Amino acid sequence: DAGVIQSPRHEVTEMGQEVTLRCKPISGHDYLFWYRQTMMRGLELLIYFNNNVPIDDSGMPEDRFSAKMPNASFSTLKIQPSEPRDSAVYFCASSSPGSVSFGNTIYFGEGSWLTVV
Amino acid sequence: QQQVKQSPQSLIVQKGGIPIINCAYENTAFDYFPWYQQFPGKGPALLIAIRPDVSEKKEGRFTISFNKSAKQFSLHIMDSQPGDSATYFCAARGTGGFKTIFGAGTRLFVKA
Repeated sequence: DAGVIQSPRHEVTEMGQEVTLRCKPISGHDYLFWYRQTMMRGLELLIYFNNNVPIDDSGMPEDRFSAKMPNASFSTLKIQPSEPRDSAVYFCASSSPGSVSFGNTIYFGEGSWLTVV
Repeated sequence: QQQVKQSPQSLIVQKGGIPIINCAYENTAFDYFPWYQQFPGKGPALLIAIRPDVSEKKEGRFTISFNKSAKQFSLHIMDSQPGDSATYFCAARGTGGFKTIFGAGTRLFVKA
């Protein structure tokens, strides 16, 4: 299995520009998560989907952030307009429900390193 | 948003030492407590996990201790090796769904 695939791996953009991060989850996983990692705040959950439907977006920092999952194999996280404080590593992750007796493993991609100058 | 408090922020131990990373949670509606390990430039990966009806789980050199009444759990790494140098995250998953919240992370460095 190829694992969770994210693109771009690195993005440098100017303040005010639109940024779109892309994710392909592991085939068969019906949960998809977007996390943001910074030194100050650690690993924050931004939003997660189940069967392509957004379940909880309470972690999305503000209206400049939006996420979509048009089908089971693709999701995007968009920042418009971008600001320097958005600089972080953005991880996409996917999971299946797991067994009844135990929990689920979340599989992370390698991240999209975003720098907004 | 953070409902899982992790400490210490960083940790340096000698090879063979036993680093201990602690986590505490407030919300009782968690049903699964995993630990993830992250190497530089990579995404976190599941290391070991425990359910709240178990007080201890051991896998190789890694042990989770869980204290349900105190709402605390910890990771012990026995006979630590330089290859264990990484960032470790504790996490908690909410019941009735799959919302998984992570602690702030602990950067571990094991000296050779």
